[in-house]
Amino acid sequence: DAGVIQSPRHEVTEMGQEVTLRCKPISGHNSLFWYRQTMMRGLELLIYFNNNVPIDDSGMPEDRFSAKMPNASFSTLKIQPSEPRDSAVYFCASSLVAGGSYSETQYFGPGTRLLVL
Amino acid sequence: SQQGEEDPQALSIQEGENATMNCSYKTSINNLQWYRQNSGRGLVHLILIRSNEREKHSGRLRVTLDTSKKSSSLLITASRAADTASYFCATDALGYSTLTFGKGTMLLVSP
Repeated sequence: DAGVIQSPRHEVTEMGQEVTLRCKPISGHNSLFWYRQTMMRGLELLIYFNNNVPIDDSGMPEDRFSAKMPNASFSTLKIQPSEPRDSAVYFCASSLVAGGSYSETQYFGPGTRLLVL
Repeated sequence: SQQGEEDPQALSIQEGENATMNCSYKTSINNLQWYRQNSGRGLVHLILIRSNEREKHSGRLRVTLDTSKKSSSLLITASRAADTASYFCATDALGYSTLTFGKGTMLLVSP
């Protein structure tokens, strides 16, 4: 079984450049979550989707961050322009949600390690 | 502030010993989950315990939940070097629409 797939696994870019992170959720899952993990702040939820619709983006730190889910098998998280403080590991997770509860088991991808110089 | 907080922040033991990690949370919950993260990897779900359950087992893992104290513990018995990882608790707290994660306990199991 293929788990959650993320690409790229590593990204090094310069400040001001656009960064696009990609995620393919587990087939059949209807919810997708984007997280950011740093030593200082731990694991932060950025945004999540249900049936391709953004439900809550209150965790997105700034307007420089945007996320889309054009179909059930693909999502992107874009940072434009990137800044050094965006350096972190970004995780995508998917879940099968029923009855409006988003608290069931989540399956995480391997993450994208982003370094902005 | 974090809804769930793990204790201790770090734990170092020898192979064969038991490891106990604790999680405290602030508001009522429907369920509590434990996840493991190996270095450089994504989180992996270990076990889910619902608010009406007091104890749950899965292999060498034992999870307890005390809703009156708003706390949970994860016990790993007969630990192995491969158990070296960070362990996170996640809760679905009232007022939050999805899971919130603690900052984790780093477990080091030495051969």
